[in-house]
Amino acid sequence: DAGVTQSPTHLIKTRGQQVTLRCSPKSGHDTVSWYQQALGQGPQFIFQYYEEEERQRGNFPDRFSGHQFPNYSSELNVNALLLGDSALYLCASSWMNTGELFFGEGSRLTVL
Amino acid sequence: KQEVTQIPAALSVPEGENLVLNCSFTDSAIYNLQWFRQDPGKGLTSLLLIQSSQREQTSGRLNASLDKSSGRSTLYIAASQPGDSATYLCAVGGRLWPNTGNQFYFGTGTSLTVIP
Repeated sequence: DAGVTQSPTHLIKTRGQQVTLRCSPKSGHDTVSWYQQALGQGPQFIFQYYEEEERQRGNFPDRFSGHQFPNYSSELNVNALLLGDSALYLCASSWMNTGELFFGEGSRLTVL
Repeated sequence: KQEVTQIPAALSVPEGENLVLNCSFTDSAIYNLQWFRQDPGKGLTSLLLIQSSQREQTSGRLNASLDKSSGRSTLYIAASQPGDSATYLCAVGGRLWPNTGNQFYFGTGTSLTVIP
């Protein structure tokens, strides 16, 4: 049983560029959440997708957007990258009715 | 807004010692609480999930308790081993609304080092 998979694992971008991160949820899960983790900090909630709709959103600007596909996989898009967007981006999947989170290994984004 | 605090920020113990990690939260209207382990540069590994109606959960050498009314949870690790060295994160789940889900609020973690 495959767990949560994320790609790419590492990437480097420059300020102003755009990035897309991808996530495949654990088998049987229908909900995908995205978190941002800065160095030395706990993860911060970005948003959550269920039935291809954004259901909840944390305190992140509109530069952060996402999508969920019919097969439950998800993408996180960040436009107009800032130096402060450098972080580990974590995808978590769950089954809507339980809320228990299972995380992927993350995508490490460095913005120069 | 839910605030989650973990104490201590770092802990170093000799192998074999029993230890307790603490987590406190400000809003007792939670749906569940989950403990995670994170190795450097890696993702989060789920350790234990406690529903708001439960008082504790056990898995192997790990035991997590929840006191919702006082806004506290503890993670007890018995007979610590060097392989337990990692950062331990507490995450509090807000209300689970139908077809909306919930978001988790994380503490900044406790960095544990178990010395052989």
